Amino acid sequence: RKEVEQDPGPFNVPEGATVAFNCTYSNSASQSFFWYRQDCRKEPKLLMSVYSSGNEDGRFTAQLNRASQYISLLIRDSKLSDSATYLCVVIRSASKIIFGSGTRLSIRP
Amino acid sequence: DAGVTQSPTHLIKTRGQQVTLRCSPKSGHDTVSWYQQALGQGPQFIFQYYEEEERQRGNFPDRFSGHQFPNYSSELNVNALLLGDSALYLCASSLPGTGTETQYFGPGTRLLVL
Repeated sequence: RKEVEQDPGPFNVPEGATVAFNCTYSNSASQSFFWYRQDCRKEPKLLMSVYSSGNEDGRFTAQLNRASQYISLLIRDSKLSDSATYLCVVIRSASKIIFGSGTRLSIRP
Repeated sequence: DAGVTQSPTHLIKTRGQQVTLRCSPKSGHDTVSWYQQALGQGPQFIFQYYEEEERQRGNFPDRFSGHQFPNYSSELNVNALLLGDSALYLCASSLPGTGTETQYFGPGTRLLVL
């Protein structure tokens, strides 16, 4: 079992829809959590940090559930430009930086 | 202000050869991390350099080595290339003292091993 797991998708949703996906992690000692966005054949870019108290940035909301060991990303009023692969990142220590395999999201007109 | 730059953009090698990839961090960044991203997978942490020394290392064999120069630029060297080394190699730089959460990635080098 991988230490960080994501549903690979693809999630195919219409423009304007709300979409959510989760990322589970297996090591309870994990300390920091992030969502990155990666466009096709491009480098990953930091989308947002994830806290237990929740983190909202415009249409994007990230949440951490330590008890159930997962993080989530919610995208409201999705845009065509939201089409990308979303990578979760779990940091257990300075040398334990683990990316999930990514969830592919495709927004259709 | 230039972001993270990497060279070359693409590279083709044969099994057994050696390769050197280069990275220049974002201005003001002193920490450089290297990642390997296979097709359809997330990036895997190789190692991190700070003050010209390897500070942290992921689960990669000794065939993977690196170097950081006084100007904070960095090289990734891979010896005795295997077919499985074919991947996108990403370099990321970060601000002093902020660790990994403020990483900025370069566009990567696509390595194909035949």
